[in-house]
Amino acid sequence: QLQLQESGPGLVKPSETLSLTCSVSSGSISTSSYYWGWIRQPPGKGLEWIASIYYSGNTYYNPSLKSRVTISVDTSKNQFSLKVSSVTAADTAVYYCARQVRNGKDGMDVWGQGTTVTVSS
Amino acid sequence: QTVVTQEPSFSVSPGGTVTLTCGLSSGSVSTGHYPSWYQQTPGQAPRSLIYNTNTRSSGVPDRFSGSILGNKAALTITGAQADDESDYYCVLYMGSGISVFGGGTKLTVL
Repeated sequence: QLQLQESGPGLVKPSETLSLTCSVSSGSISTSSYYWGWIRQPPGKGLEWIASIYYSGNTYYNPSLKSRVTISVDTSKNQFSLKVSSVTAADTAVYYCARQVRNGKDGMDVWGQGTTVTVSS
Repeated sequence: QTVVTQEPSFSVSPGGTVTLTCGLSSGSVSTGHYPSWYQQTPGQAPRSLIYNTNTRSSGVPDRFSGSILGNKAALTITGAQADDESDYYCVLYMGSGISVFGGGTKLTVL
């Protein structure tokens, strides 16, 4: 059964860059029709879609975050990654990676457990 | 900027039926938005319930159903159970690869 696992620093200083990786196991990241996305949830708040990527490298971004976010994929490692630059306290959240079927048209069917990122000096 | 709207909270009695909705701040929701629904309990990752308007995800009981009602997407829970008490999120596909989450509905079963 496909599994996703987020990893990265739990604490990031303001103005620095947040970097996270999602490792895909028991399945290939290079499978047709599957896109790979990042979603976040600030403490006590709702979910926010950040970005998604296809194994070919096609990327899609939330317009409100696009200027600070980069998503990338490494098919050789079966991983994809997220970078958020110039972070502030507002970027403090649980970050989830998820598989998006047909880039979300058929939902987000597999999720990682989430990783907590705190932005603080 | 497009805002996806959901009721902030809802309550249902055990065994009862509840319909949660998902709308747009401007315009109507259609099947072309490929509405999907997710259930989240505290401290857990979201779980997919419904995708592409009305298709149940694997393992989801048939008391969960999705539809378009008027100008909104809807999630109906029939025969609510105590463990249905969760946060429910809808997602709409806005085109060009962009997905937008609603603000979520906190469902209480009492």
